[in-house]
Amino acid sequence: AQRVTQPEKLLSVFKGAPVELKCNYSYSGSPELFWYVQYSRQRLQLLLRHISRESIKGFTADLNKGETSFHLKKPFAQEEDSAMYYCALSAPNTDKLIFGTGTRLQVFP
Amino acid sequence: DTAVSQTPKYLVTQMGNDKSIKCEQNLGHDTMYWYKQDSKKFLKIMFSYNNKELIINETVPNRFSPKSPDKAHLNLHINSLELGDSAVYFCASSQQELMNTEAFFGQGTRLTVV
Repeated sequence: AQRVTQPEKLLSVFKGAPVELKCNYSYSGSPELFWYVQYSRQRLQLLLRHISRESIKGFTADLNKGETSFHLKKPFAQEEDSAMYYCALSAPNTDKLIFGTGTRLQVFP
Repeated sequence: DTAVSQTPKYLVTQMGNDKSIKCEQNLGHDTMYWYKQDSKKFLKIMFSYNNKELIINETVPNRFSPKSPDKAHLNLHINSLELGDSAVYFCASSQQELMNTEAFFGQGTRLTVV
């Protein structure tokens, strides 16, 4: 079955600390992976997708097929990074997304 | 048990028809949402209901009307379907307002208007 697991409901760090938001997936083929972010009272936004291998707002995520993971990382957290983060999976050539349950990141000053 | 379930998973219909997509959550959550996914896989919130009351109503055509018979259900009714309505629609639920807690998403409904 296709599934996305985000084991942490809440992750709290101090400003300047490294951040890693965990995401593991279950899928038999080669999925497309995404990270979405929702800042307070704002819309859900696409943060990055693994096929573009980009870095947005200092965040990066590497797809590890061996570990079936797509962890989101940032070397130095900022207070404005505080938000809800959702990992999502999509099978190739389909429109549907399967979401994890989200991790709330709190960055303290 | 499926936490958030949407029916149908696929819906193909002709322009001008009226259709509904149903969403049910068995998590006891107070808040439910409808999102529309665009071609770039961005999700745009359409509606949010808390305890059967509408709390978010983004700019969507009046042809889209959410209906919440109880807090476990949030159905999306669409009148006079247009080609541009073709998209994947996601239902979601959370215990509180989305920022404060995790959210659970349905599988999505692929709507195709021909």
